[in-house]
Amino acid sequence: AQRVTQPEKLLSVFKGAPVELKCNYSYSGSPELFWYVQYSRQRLQLLLRHISRESIKGFTADLNKGETSFHLKKPFAQEEDSAMYYCALSGNTDKLIFGTGTRLQVFP
Amino acid sequence: DTGVSQNPRHKITKRGQNVTFRCDPISEHNRLYWYRQTLGQGPEFLTYFQNEAQLEKSRLLSDRFSAERPKGSFSTLEIQRTEQGDSAMYLCASSSAGTSGLSSYNEQFFGPGTRLTVL
Repeated sequence: AQRVTQPEKLLSVFKGAPVELKCNYSYSGSPELFWYVQYSRQRLQLLLRHISRESIKGFTADLNKGETSFHLKKPFAQEEDSAMYYCALSGNTDKLIFGTGTRLQVFP
Repeated sequence: DTGVSQNPRHKITKRGQNVTFRCDPISEHNRLYWYRQTLGQGPEFLTYFQNEAQLEKSRLLSDRFSAERPKGSFSTLEIQRTEQGDSAMYLCASSSAGTSGLSSYNEQFFGPGTRLTVL
């Protein structure tokens, strides 16, 4: 079964603290993994994808095929990082399978 | 605004009524997707089109749901005989098909969504 699991509904940290949003997936094959973000009153947008191996807004995510994980990390959280974060996978078609999302709250 | 647009943004209807939503994708995008998002959940795939061809439909898309993209541009999603369980945010996204660099995935750009409330 194709599934994305985000175990935390809410993650609260103070500004400057490290952040790790967890994502585990189940897929028989080689999926592509993504992180999407939705800021308050804005539409869903792509944050980063595993294949590009880039850092966006200080966030990175490494695909661990052994642990079937794709956790999102940032060493020093900022208040503007507060948003809803969705992990998603894409298999042999372009449709996206999303997790339930994690709300990140960064307090000043 | 040259992004994906959806109309209406909000729709309140009574159970049993039919509703239709419209999605206008980014003009050069040939793929169009519909997702549904209920409270506390991530978006769930419903269906997608490449040009005017509907290539995949989810099991979530019951017989009461129908989607069209008649000229390969805008798309409509119709729900017949609405039920309270249909209350959700309906999201549209578009992308351009093909291979882009390292991956065959092409970024999906999402619209603002249509929030449906069935009373």
